[in-house]
Amino acid sequence: AQTVTQSQPEMSVQEAETVTLSCTYDTSENNYYLFWYKQPPSRQMILVIRQEAYKQQNATENRFSVNFQKAAKSFSLKISDSQLGDTAMYFCAFMGLENTDKLIFGTGTRLQVFP
Amino acid sequence: NAGVTQTPKFQVLKTGQSMTLQCAQDMNHEYMSWYRQDPGMGLRLIHYSVGAGITDQGEVPNGYNVSRSTTEDFPLRLLSAAPSQTSVYFCASSPGSSQPQHFGDGTRLSIL
Repeated sequence: AQTVTQSQPEMSVQEAETVTLSCTYDTSENNYYLFWYKQPPSRQMILVIRQEAYKQQNATENRFSVNFQKAAKSFSLKISDSQLGDTAMYFCAFMGLENTDKLIFGTGTRLQVFP
Repeated sequence: NAGVTQTPKFQVLKTGQSMTLQCAQDMNHEYMSWYRQDPGMGLRLIHYSVGAGITDQGEVPNGYNVSRSTTEDFPLRLLSAAPSQTSVYFCASSPGSSQPQHFGDGTRLSIL
């Protein structure tokens, strides 16, 4: 069974600084997708970034980028130039191509951005 | 474009009561799912559907029923509520396999 582990329950960063959130996963599948979702205090689940396992290039979305290490089964999220609006829970999630309708979530990292 | 709409946003039930959480999407998505979110446990899949008339169990299906009579709607039923079902429930939909899921705003359910 696939598992997703986020080992940092809480993180904090100063505004304008860079922070990296860690995520590791376990799977026997070779083809899959990885996601980072953001959940602000409003409780909405917002897709931040997505990575296909067959792509070697790391995904980037504006200030958000990932470091995808397939062999190590690691998928960290880097937030550059942190903003107060980045304060939220961040969830890493896995979706295997054999079970394409099942998102497996990690337990989340609470990120606090300080002014 | 409303996206994924969940009703109600909040609900308090007594143990043993039944209720249906509603979920509707207007994006013509084939795939719909229900998750529950508990403190320290992330989101866990309850049930999902790959299209009208087709449903399947997720990680934590016990105590919940679903049906998918139309593409738009995917209600979640609690037949006999238990305090262990106190949680925040999210409905999600996606246009196809492996596509990112769009989430509703959630329903906070408390069972006394």
